[in-house]
Amino acid sequence: KAGVTQTPRYLIKTRGQQVTLSCSPISGHRSVSWYQQTPGQGLQFLFEYFSETQRNKGNFPGRFSGRQFSNSRSEMNVSTLELGDSALYLCASSVLAGGPADTQYFGPGTRLTVL
Amino acid sequence: GQSLEQPSEVTAVEGAIVQINCTYQTSGFYGLSWYQQHDGGAPTFLSYNGLDGLEETGRFSSFLSRSDSYGYLLLQELQMKDSASYFCAVSLNTNAGKSTFGDGTTLTVKP
Repeated sequence: KAGVTQTPRYLIKTRGQQVTLSCSPISGHRSVSWYQQTPGQGLQFLFEYFSETQRNKGNFPGRFSGRQFSNSRSEMNVSTLELGDSALYLCASSVLAGGPADTQYFGPGTRLTVL
Repeated sequence: GQSLEQPSEVTAVEGAIVQINCTYQTSGFYGLSWYQQHDGGAPTFLSYNGLDGLEETGRFSSFLSRSDSYGYLLLQELQMKDSASYFCAVSLNTNAGKSTFGDGTTLTVKP
């Protein structure tokens, strides 16, 4: 099976712009989670989607949003970019119900740089 | 909220054994996972402990003590390729795929 794919892999934006990142989970996986990874803050949970519904959201401002499509593909959007949004954005998928014991499979990430 | 603590850095030599500890404070604890991330790569799953005790997978083992809110990852017969960051992550007793990750431990294996 193909792994989790994320596009684009690298992105450079300027402050105030918006950006959309895409994630395609492993075939058959219905749960998709998004994480922000920075050197100083580690892996921070953004949100999780299952069957097109957001089930959980982390402590991020409303500028961060996401959605999931019927084919389980997911997108996240960041509006009004700030310098502090520069990070590696990771998407992870898990099997079926996406319960607490489900292993998460991570994509390679999108490296976002905000200038 | 939840919090996890793990050492920021560990150094060991090839062939040695190293233990990376993780202590957590959380409500609704369900299980503890470990992930490995090489520099520039994606985190990859290593092990999961839902019950107390030791889980062994080849050279890697993971231990959990729910009463002590403590777990560890044990890496045996260290190899240079084991140099990476290791994250512990807690999952909660909810029907949602959310994990809270520790800040990671950077393991450096020296010849």
